[in-house]
Formats: sequence, C-alpha cells, structure tokens
Amino acid sequence: DTAVSQTPKYLVTQMGNDKSIKCEQNLGHDTMYWYKQDSKKFLKIMFSYNNKELIINETVPNRFSPKSPDKAHLNLHINSLELGDSAVYFCASSQDLGNSYEQYFGPGTRLTVT
Amino acid sequence: KQEVTQIPAALSVPEGENLVLNCSFTDSAIYNLQWFRQDPGKGLTSLLLIQSSQREQTSGRLNASLDKSSGRSTLYIAASQPGDSATYLCAVGGSGGYNKLIFGAGTRLAVHP
Repeated sequence: DTAVSQTPKYLVTQMGNDKSIKCEQNLGHDTMYWYKQDSKKFLKIMFSYNNKELIINETVPNRFSPKSPDKAHLNLHINSLELGDSAVYFCASSQDLGNSYEQYFGPGTRLTVT
Repeated sequence: KQEVTQIPAALSVPEGENLVLNCSFTDSAIYNLQWFRQDPGKGLTSLLLIQSSQREQTSGRLNASLDKSSGRSTLYIAASQPGDSATYLCAVGGSGGYNKLIFGAGTRLAVHP
C-alpha cells in the first residue's frame, strides 16, 4: 500500500495556465508538507499543514495556494504558471509537528511549463 | 541561515567497498538529522533519523553518526552493493521550528559490479 501518493506523476502545461497537484497519505499523520526540487536538485520546503492549519509558508509566491480539505489530503494549486515553476514537487507527511518525527515522502510530480 | 553541504558530490566505487558520505551544517541548533535515498525519477526513501540527543543510528549495513557541536554527520555504508546506487540526501530538521527540513544537494553514488 502506498503511504504517500501524488497525482499526477507528470504534468506538462503552458505558461499562464492554472493547475493542481493532489496528495494523499494513509499513515494517519497530522502534518503534511510540500517541497520543491528544482533543476539543480535542491529540495526546499514550500508549505506545511498541521490538522488542516497552515504552519509554514516559505515566502512562496501567492500564485501557489495549498489546500487541506482534511488531515489526509494536501493539494497544491498553482495559478498563472511560469517557466520557472518547472520542477519536481514532493509531498511529505509526518506524525505530528514535533521535531522528533520522521518525514515520509511521496513519489513526486514532475511539472513542465512550456 | 542554515546551510547543508554534502561531500563528495559524486562517488563511484567497486562492489564490496565500505564507504562514507559526509554532511555538514552551519547552524548546530538542530533537532534532528535525516538521511534519505533518492532513486532516479523516484521519491525519497527515509533511511535513518537521528535525534539531536543521539550520536548514531544503525539500520542493517547503514550507520549514521551525528556530531552537533562540529556540525557534521556521516553515513557509513558497509559492503556496498550495486543496488545501493542512488543519490543520498542529508537533511537537518528544526531550524526555524516546526520540523522544517533543510536539505543538502546530495551525493550521487554508483556502485559497479
């Protein structure tokens, strides 16, 4: 059984479009995250949610809007896509907010903006 | 601002060798350090999590150590196998609170038969 899943796996779209990436975890965790891995392979945190509440927003452009309908889901909506948004987006989850908890990652969504 | 550096950036070794991957971080005020493995086109697999109060963690052929005061961690892989070929990522947690992970750029490991 997949612990953290993301859809779609690949997403190719044109500049200016709006797109969403979905994430679901079946681990019963309270905290979920979005990370971005750019072309240089650096992984950086974008957002974290705990019990559907936004906890971390790492100065991400407001074209990116996460939404957590429930604890098991954290979706990422991106408006007015730009070339620089091309990257791999990873969803992750951990049992809780605390620093002692291991994070589990999904398989990633490769977004290509043309 | 926390920065995480991993050395070497790439490593190619013959099967059977014992090897060490290095990770250093600039701010010693961390709560944990996590080692991940990333296979091409795949997500991250958590290998080991070391809490700030711990010195090392072991899982099978893997051993990770943490020296907070010097800002260093090492991942030791014993008797390397071709299946160990992947990119290994080090991430420190807790900087700025709320278990935010700061990642290094990774070490790309190739183990050849």
